[in-house]
Amino acid sequence: AQSVTQPDIHITVSEGASLELRCNYSYGATPYLFWYVQSPGQGLQLLLKYFSGDTLVQGIKGFEAEFKRSQSSFNLRKPSVHWSDAAEYFCAVGAPGNQFYFGTGTSLTVIP
Amino acid sequence: EAQVTQNPRYLITVTGKKLTVTCSQNMNHEYMSWYRQDPGLGLRQIYYSMNVEVTDKGDVPEGYKVSRKEKRNFPLILESPSPNQTSLYFCASSQIPGRQETQYFGPGTRLLVL
Repeated sequence: AQSVTQPDIHITVSEGASLELRCNYSYGATPYLFWYVQSPGQGLQLLLKYFSGDTLVQGIKGFEAEFKRSQSSFNLRKPSVHWSDAAEYFCAVGAPGNQFYFGTGTSLTVIP
Repeated sequence: EAQVTQNPRYLITVTGKKLTVTCSQNMNHEYMSWYRQDPGLGLRQIYYSMNVEVTDKGDVPEGYKVSRKEKRNFPLILESPSPNQTSLYFCASSQIPGRQETQYFGPGTRLLVL
C-alpha cells in the first residue's frame, strides 16, 4: 500500500538558517510527489512537484526538493528561512486509481 | 479568479442532523476530491470524482456521501453526523483525472458535531 511518512512532527529553526524537511514514501511504481504548505487558518498551497526528469525540482518561495529513488525520499529544502515560512508542510504522493496520500505534516517554527 | 470555494466555512451541528458542505470550482476541472484533516493524521481522502456521475471512495469514506451531477460542484453530505466527524474538511480539484496533476484546494470547512 502507498504511504507517506514525515518523521519530524515539529521543527524549529532560526531565521536565516537553512531548512530541510524530510519525506519518505512507499510506492511500487514511479511516484508523483508534491509538497504543500498550509499557513495558519489557510488552505493548502502547492510549493513544488515532481513527475519525472531532473530529480532536483525548484518551487515557489525559494524552496527546492530532491527526489532520491534509492532512498525513497523527497526532502524539501530552503537555504535561508524567513519568518513568513512558519507554517505546516505536507508531503503527498499521487497513487494509482487517482487517489492521493498525504503525510501527517511537519510544523515549522521560525525564531528571530 | 480561478478558485475552489466551500460553504459554509464554519459549522456547528448536533449528532444526527443531516448536513451538506458545498464545493464549487470555476476552472472546468474534471477531478474533484474531499479530504478531512485531523491533528497528527494529516489529510485523508474521503471521496473523489473523475468526472460527472463518476465517484469513488478514498481512504475514509464511512459516514459520508458525495454526488457529482455537474462538473463544477461536488457536495459532501453527512446523512447522520457523529462527533468523530468533527474535523477540518478540504475540497480540491485538478485539471484532468490523474495522480500527477496539481490539486487546487479550497479554504476549508471547520465542522463541529456535538
